[in-house]
Amino acid sequence: GQNIDQPTEMTATEGAIVQINCTYQTSGFNGLFWYQQHAGEAPTFLSYNVLDGLEEKGRFSSFLSRSKGYSYLLLKELQMKDSASYLCAVRDRSGRGSTLGRLYFGRGTQLTVWP
Amino acid sequence: NAGVTQTPKFRVLKTGQSMTLLCAQDMNHEYMYWYRQDPGMGLRLIHYSVGEGTTAKGEVPDGYNVSRLKKQNFLLGLESAAPSQTSVYFCASSLTGDTYGYTFGSGTRLTVV
Repeated sequence: GQNIDQPTEMTATEGAIVQINCTYQTSGFNGLFWYQQHAGEAPTFLSYNVLDGLEEKGRFSSFLSRSKGYSYLLLKELQMKDSASYLCAVRDRSGRGSTLGRLYFGRGTQLTVWP
Repeated sequence: NAGVTQTPKFRVLKTGQSMTLLCAQDMNHEYMYWYRQDPGMGLRLIHYSVGEGTTAKGEVPDGYNVSRLKKQNFLLGLESAAPSQTSVYFCASSLTGDTYGYTFGSGTRLTVV
């Protein structure tokens, strides 16, 4: 299987910047995803990286280094509503066709934003 | 466009009872998945399907069965519920190569007493 690691918890203050790291090991990388999940709700898509570099979407950016098996999610100008769990997920192209679409999830990083 | 719809949203079962969770998607996605999410454990794959009439086991399939008789529906069954199956269940669907990965349903919170 895949090995995906991310910190369990992080805290930050409103208006600050926070970086959530994710490292992974996979035999056939085919994309990395970040999801946001508020308590009691379903995960929602934030970003997708398949090539090295930075993808920016408003206050959120995601970075990927395939050679290092590393990604980070950068949240700027933090707001209270950003308090949530952030899930890193990797899509693997290896294996049989039946597993090509499957994502492998990390356990999530619980971010708490303080006023 | 409804996306992925799960029913029911909440359920309380007694040990030994059976139930079926329904997942329906209207996006013509080939792949569908059932996950359970427990505190500190993240999302764990129970079963998945790569198309109508096909199913496969995930990481934690014991105690669950699934069926995909129609492309748009993926059913998760608990034949004899146990307290260890108390969890939040998420259904998801996808197309291979999607740039947004999965579309998730809103979840089913199941308590087995």
